[in-house]
Amino acid sequence: KNQVEQSPQSLIILEGKNCTLQCNYTVSPFSNLRWYKQDTGRGPVSLTIMTFSENTKSNGRYTATLDADTKQSSLHITASQLSDSASYICVVNTGFQKLVFGTGTRLLVSP
Amino acid sequence: DAEITQSPRHKITETGRQVTLACHQTWNHNNMFWYRQDLGHGLRLIHYSYGVQDTNKGEVSDGYSVSRSNTEDLPLTLESAASSQTSVYFCASSDTGLSTDTQYFGPGTRLTVL
Repeated sequence: KNQVEQSPQSLIILEGKNCTLQCNYTVSPFSNLRWYKQDTGRGPVSLTIMTFSENTKSNGRYTATLDADTKQSSLHITASQLSDSASYICVVNTGFQKLVFGTGTRLLVSP
Repeated sequence: DAEITQSPRHKITETGRQVTLACHQTWNHNNMFWYRQDLGHGLRLIHYSYGVQDTNKGEVSDGYSVSRSNTEDLPLTLESAASSQTSVYFCASSDTGLSTDTQYFGPGTRLTVL
């Protein structure tokens, strides 16, 4: 069964600190992996996308990594801001727009 | 600006009633999707459409139906609402069938079935 597991489930950090969110997947076939940010009461918004051959992708203070051999990905947030408080969802595309979603990590950035 | 909208944003209904959730996108995207989001689960695909008159069942389609009569709209109908269908529903759209194409999500509809 295709699965995407994320850890931790929730995380509290102080404003200005860095954090790393983890994603492990057992999905086949694999086309690409995205990280989405979902603000409370809103729909998910794509942050990064990585295909099989890409190891790292950055979007401002967000840096995603992908290890296709171990089927692991991480999302690193640098110098966190209050606006980073959200759920972060790891999503694997199996092809033809078929997505497998993780349950997300809920991040709270505290002042 | 192009966008994807959902209505209503909140809905309370009773068991057994028929409910229709609207989804409208102005990107002229070919592909549209409906998902539900529940605690402890990732988003799960209900139905999807790759174009006008095309509809397909997703992972959790029982009790739901969709129709695609134009490019802009994909309404989701709950034929006879059940308490198990209490959830947050998201509509999404994408332009092409390429796996690298981004799905853009609407703001969601919170549905409560009493």
